[in-house]
Amino acid sequence: AQKVTQAQTEISVVEKEDVTLDCVYETRDTTYYLFWYKQPPSGELVFLIRRNSFDEQNEISGRYSWNFQKSTSSFNFTITASQVVDSAVYFCAQGGSEKLVFGKGTKLTVNP
Amino acid sequence: NAGVTQTPKFRVLKTGQSMTLLCAQDMNHEYMYWYRQDPGMGLRLIHYSVGEGTTAKGEVPDGYNVSRLKKQNFLLGLESAAPSQTSVYFCASSYGATGESTDTQYFGPGTRLTVL
Repeated sequence: AQKVTQAQTEISVVEKEDVTLDCVYETRDTTYYLFWYKQPPSGELVFLIRRNSFDEQNEISGRYSWNFQKSTSSFNFTITASQVVDSAVYFCAQGGSEKLVFGKGTKLTVNP
Repeated sequence: NAGVTQTPKFRVLKTGQSMTLLCAQDMNHEYMYWYRQDPGMGLRLIHYSVGEGTTAKGEVPDGYNVSRLKKQNFLLGLESAAPSQTSVYFCASSYGATGESTDTQYFGPGTRLTVL
């Protein structure tokens, strides 16, 4: 069965600290996709990244980076030099032959 | 492009009342979805559509109906609202290239519904 676990319910950091949000998934599919979404306090869901299971290269986009490790079924998200505007709930999701499954989210608070 | 829009943004209903939530997208996406978000539960799929005139059940379809009469619109109906349907409802759409569970979904701003 599919499952996405975001073990960190809440994280609090001080501005400029680096922070890593963990995501562990379970699936029987050999082809699948992984996603991260951001939900700021205003409530909308913002797409951040989509990665397919055959592409294990890490990705960097500005202060954001993603580490995909198939061996440990993890797709972790790192924010470098965090800023107050990064405060949000972040959701990891996995989709394949069945449905798109979301984790329960990690609430990140970046304090000035 | 407005992307995905939802109407209304907020609504308060009494138990037993009915209402329709409207979702519209201007990205010419084939697939559209309705989710509900509850504290501690993450996002759960209610219904989805893979094209005009088609709908399918998601994870939590009971108490809801949907219609997709036009490609750009996806309506979510509550025939007899219950307090358990108090939630934030999100609509999403996707291009339809790879599948309803593997496409990138783009979300609307959400509708906060309270049922008293």
